[in-house]
Amino acid sequence: GENVEQHPSTLSVQEGDSAVIKCTYSDSASNYFPWYKQELGKGPQLIIDIRSNVGEKKDQRIAVTLNKTAKHFSLHITETQPEDSAVYFCAAPNSGYALNFGKGTSLLVTP
Amino acid sequence: NAGVTQTPKFRILKIGQSMTLQCTQDMNHNYMYWYRQDPGMGLKLIYYSVGAGITDKGEVPNGYNVSRSTTEDFPLRLELAAPSQTSVYFCASSYSEFEQFFGPGTRLTVL
Repeated sequence: GENVEQHPSTLSVQEGDSAVIKCTYSDSASNYFPWYKQELGKGPQLIIDIRSNVGEKKDQRIAVTLNKTAKHFSLHITETQPEDSAVYFCAAPNSGYALNFGKGTSLLVTP
Repeated sequence: NAGVTQTPKFRILKIGQSMTLQCTQDMNHNYMYWYRQDPGMGLKLIYYSVGAGITDKGEVPNGYNVSRSTTEDFPLRLELAAPSQTSVYFCASSYSEFEQFFGPGTRLTVL
């Protein structure tokens, strides 16, 4: 099945700086790559996703880039704010209809 | 729409007891999923369903059972609770194999 590696496991940035989280996957047939944000005590929430037919997608301060040749995709958050502090998960489809998730990145944005 | 709802929010079980975690969605989604989340380990798929009457095993199905008699409901059954099943359980649903919507989770402790 799909193996998704996520780095770093923890990330601390100052407010206003950028944050980058990277994931690699193993199945070259994967065609959908979502990113989820999980706040304390809540379920994960989809924040952005990308399909394999594009290399980059932006939504205000967040962007995702995809390199299919290298089998990695990244989440970029610019102008970070304290409310961006959360755990972020990347994911990729497995051979069925579900997702395999990375182990998560705990992002802390300090004022 | 309430989205995905889960009950109970918290539960403490004794070893060997059984219980059912309830999950309901009001978005008319065909796909539903159960994940467990252990600290620092991301989300692991327990079972999933692509429609009423159809269920399939995920990565970690042992010790669990599911049923899908209606589109809306996807209960998860623990028959003989074990300490290894202490975790946070998330139910999710999706219209297709892509964007998944998660419930708020059930925190289960087995003592």
